[in-house]
Amino acid sequence: DTAVSQTPKYLVTQMGNDKSIKCEQNLGHDTMYWYKQDSKKFLKIMFSYNNKELIINETVPNRFSPKSPDKAHLNLHINSLELGDSAVYFCASSREGGQPQHFGDGTRLSIL
Amino acid sequence: GESVGLHLPTLSVQEGDNSIINCAYSNSASDYFIWYKQESGKGPQFIIDIRSNMDKRQGQRVTVLLNKTVKHLSLQIAATQPGDSAVYFCAEADGGATNKLIFGTGTLLAVQP
Repeated sequence: DTAVSQTPKYLVTQMGNDKSIKCEQNLGHDTMYWYKQDSKKFLKIMFSYNNKELIINETVPNRFSPKSPDKAHLNLHINSLELGDSAVYFCASSREGGQPQHFGDGTRLSIL
Repeated sequence: GESVGLHLPTLSVQEGDNSIINCAYSNSASDYFIWYKQESGKGPQFIIDIRSNMDKRQGQRVTVLLNKTVKHLSLQIAATQPGDSAVYFCAEADGGATNKLIFGTGTLLAVQP
């Protein structure tokens, strides 16, 4: 059973398109996250939701919009994709603060 | 391959030796620290964590040491195996309600058979 699952695993698309990445966790956690990992393997938090409420919103272009329909799901929609958006995007979840975050296996986004 | 052009700090060890991966953290207010292992094509996998009221914690074959005076964290892996080859990340959090993790740059551990 996959604890944190993301779809799709690979996403190849053209500049200017709009795309979504989905994430689901079956761990019963209240908090979910989106991270971006660049080509140098640097991992940076983008967003976090706790019980469907946005609690972390880092300096991310407003082309990126997270949506949490329920506490087990956190989706990421990206408008007007740019070359610099190429990266691996990871979803994670955790219980309350001071607890380990559990990561999915990532979505590799490539912009042509 | 995936690592072409990637210039992560690298630690190369012989199979069976002990490995020590070091990490300097930035925020003296951080009170929760965590080590992750990331294999190629996978997400970060939790290894071990430690809170600021401790200076050492042991798991299976792994030990984390925390030195708050110099803001330094280390991960020791005993009897390193080829399956330990991966990128290792430390991360810090201030223990607040957001559980916001700040990740270090990562260290590539290469285990030679």
